[in-house]
Amino acid sequence: QKEVEQNSGPLSVPEGAIASLNCTYSDRGSQSFFWYRQYSGKSPELIMSIYSNGDKEDGRFTAQLNKASQYVSLLIRDSQPSDSATYLCAVNSQGNTPLVFGKGTRLSVIA
Amino acid sequence: DADVTQTPRNRITKTGKRIMLECSQTKGHDRMYWYRQDPGLGLRLIYYSFDVKDINKGEISDGYSVSRQAQAKFSLSLESAIPNQTALYFCATSDTSGSVTDTQYFGPGTRLTVL
Repeated sequence: QKEVEQNSGPLSVPEGAIASLNCTYSDRGSQSFFWYRQYSGKSPELIMSIYSNGDKEDGRFTAQLNKASQYVSLLIRDSQPSDSATYLCAVNSQGNTPLVFGKGTRLSVIA
Repeated sequence: DADVTQTPRNRITKTGKRIMLECSQTKGHDRMYWYRQDPGLGLRLIYYSFDVKDINKGEISDGYSVSRQAQAKFSLSLESAIPNQTALYFCATSDTSGSVTDTQYFGPGTRLTVL
C-alpha cells in the first residue's frame, strides 16, 4: 500500500524563522508531489507542486525533492503567524490513481 | 464564483436518515473525488470518478454511495446515516488529461453532524 508519512507536530517556530516540513513516501515510482495548506475548518489549498529532483521556489516557499531518498520537504522563510495551519503532503505515482495524502503537519508560528 | 461548490455547507441530521451531499464544478475537469476528514485522521478517500461512466471505491466506501450525474456533478449519499459518519466532507476535482500531474482542487467542505 502506498504511504505518505508526515510528522503530525505541532511544529512551533518563532515569527521570522524558517519552518521546515518534511514528508516521506513509500512508492519509488512516484512522479508528482504537492504541498497543500489547510486552515482549521477550511479546505486544503495548493501551495506548490514539484516533479523533478532539486529545489523549486515560489515567494517565501521552497519545495525540495529527493527521489533517491524518497522525501519531499517544504521550507517557509520569514514565517508569519498567518502561516499557522496544517500542511498536507500529497504524492501521485501514476496518472490513473488518485493522489495519496499524508495526515499533515500542524505548524504554529509564534509572534 | 467558486470553481468547486458543495451543498449544503452544514447539515445536522438524525441516525437512520438518508443524506445527499452535492458537488458541482465549473473547472471543466474530468475527475472528481469525495473525501472525509476527521481530527487526527487526515483526508480519507471515499469514492472517485475519472469520467462520467467511471466510479471507483476509495479506502472507506462502506456506508456511502455516489452518483456522477454529469461531468460537472458528483453526489455522495449516506443511505442510513450513523453518528460515526459525523465529519467534514470535501469534494475535489482534477484534470489529468493524459499527464501525470493530477493536481486536485477542493470545494469548501460540508460539515455533517449525525445525532
